[in-house]
Amino acid sequence: QVQLQESGPGLVKPSETLSLTCTVSGGSISRYYWSWIRQPPGKGLEWIGYIFYSGSTNYNPSLKSRVTISVDTSKNQFSLYLSSVTAADTAVYYCARFVPNYFDYWGQGTLVTVSS
Amino acid sequence: DIQMTQSPSSLSASVGDRVTITCQASQDINNYLNWYQQKPGKAPKLLIYDASNLETGVPSRFSGSGSGTDFTFTITSLQPEDIATYYCQQYDYVPWTFGQGTKVEIK
Repeated sequence: QVQLQESGPGLVKPSETLSLTCTVSGGSISRYYWSWIRQPPGKGLEWIGYIFYSGSTNYNPSLKSRVTISVDTSKNQFSLYLSSVTAADTAVYYCARFVPNYFDYWGQGTLVTVSS
Repeated sequence: DIQMTQSPSSLSASVGDRVTITCQASQDINNYLNWYQQKPGKAPKLLIYDASNLETGVPSRFSGSGSGTDFTFTITSLQPEDIATYYCQQYDYVPWTFGQGTKVEIK
């Protein structure tokens, strides 16, 4: 059974960089697409971007200038970096696996609050 | 971006009722449409993929239909455990986008 687990700081200061890591267990990251999705409190879901195990990426244009997703196949992990954060970036951040053509496994989510 | 418009945004129904949610895409997305269920404090769970295919292990009271721009999600007999918010999601065009969600409650 594939499992995903997000980790990283729960509090980030405005203008700093949000960094999260998703650890994949029960299966290899060297296949499929690996995504980040976020959900502001009480709101809907927003796709942030994905990385293929080879390293190719695709980002939501609304965040593209601030987002980087990277993968470390040796650790079975992928990471999200979101720069210059503001309060609008406060959300629950989910990592998820996208097998063509759907998100089948999700992490439990981690709340990141942007505040000084 | 492809806009996904779900209707209604919330509904209240009785146990055993038939529940229908619609999702309209701002342009043709073929059948590249999924439905997810999200319970409070939990990650979304896949129910239907490619518009009408039931994910393994999902009860048969859930179903989906549609193609192009208009899609429908149905619960044939609402159960107490179906209380959740339901989202459609298109993957035909990047950025992949979700509907705004439909909150289903028990009357």
